[in-house]
Amino acid sequence: EAQVTQNPRYLITVTGKKLTVTCSQNMNHEYMSWYRQDPGLGLRQIYYSMNVEVTDKGDVPEGYKVSRKEKRNFPLILESPSPNQTSLYFCASSLWDRVDTQYFGPGTRLTVL
Amino acid sequence: EDKVVQSPLSLVVHEGDTVTLNCSYEVTNFRSLLWYKQEKKAPTFLFMLTSSGIEKKSGRLSSILDKKELFSILNITATQTGDSAIYLCAVGSFNNDMRFGAGTRLTVKP
Repeated sequence: EAQVTQNPRYLITVTGKKLTVTCSQNMNHEYMSWYRQDPGLGLRQIYYSMNVEVTDKGDVPEGYKVSRKEKRNFPLILESPSPNQTSLYFCASSLWDRVDTQYFGPGTRLTVL
Repeated sequence: EDKVVQSPLSLVVHEGDTVTLNCSYEVTNFRSLLWYKQEKKAPTFLFMLTSSGIEKKSGRLSSILDKKELFSILNITATQTGDSAIYLCAVGSFNNDMRFGAGTRLTVKP
């Protein structure tokens, strides 16, 4: 089954404790992206990647890091999480030339205390 | 600065009503406009629009794009309680980024 998976689905952590949210897709997609969703703000793009070893900043990259060492994986790293990073995070993927038809993962709800 | 603006932000109707959701945009290198439905999980794709004036339909839902006036509408006729969700509008550009609006929260009461 074609899918985008994220782990963990729920996470409660404390300020400053480094964490990684994993994202994996099995569709051989070149394009992968991370979004955060906050009430009243819709989805905002954090980072995206057009292919292995190629990453670009989205609208809200501050406080986040990503890496793309393999085509199928695109982890989101919070080196020192802060409460304003409490949000619902979505990973998405698509073919490189079909960015407008992205497949979304199930979401990760992160709470930073 | 690129932006996507949806209106209204929230809407409450009764079953059987018809609703119109709006999405206006200012995006450089426009490629496509998409509508998603989001219940308590990831957004699910509804429509992708790239050409002006061509209505897309799926059951009771339809959508159209006006590239001259830079907006799109999503119509839902004969609403049902199962239509209650957040409806998201997104615009993709040839720069390979996606910009979402804040969404319209639709509540359909029995």
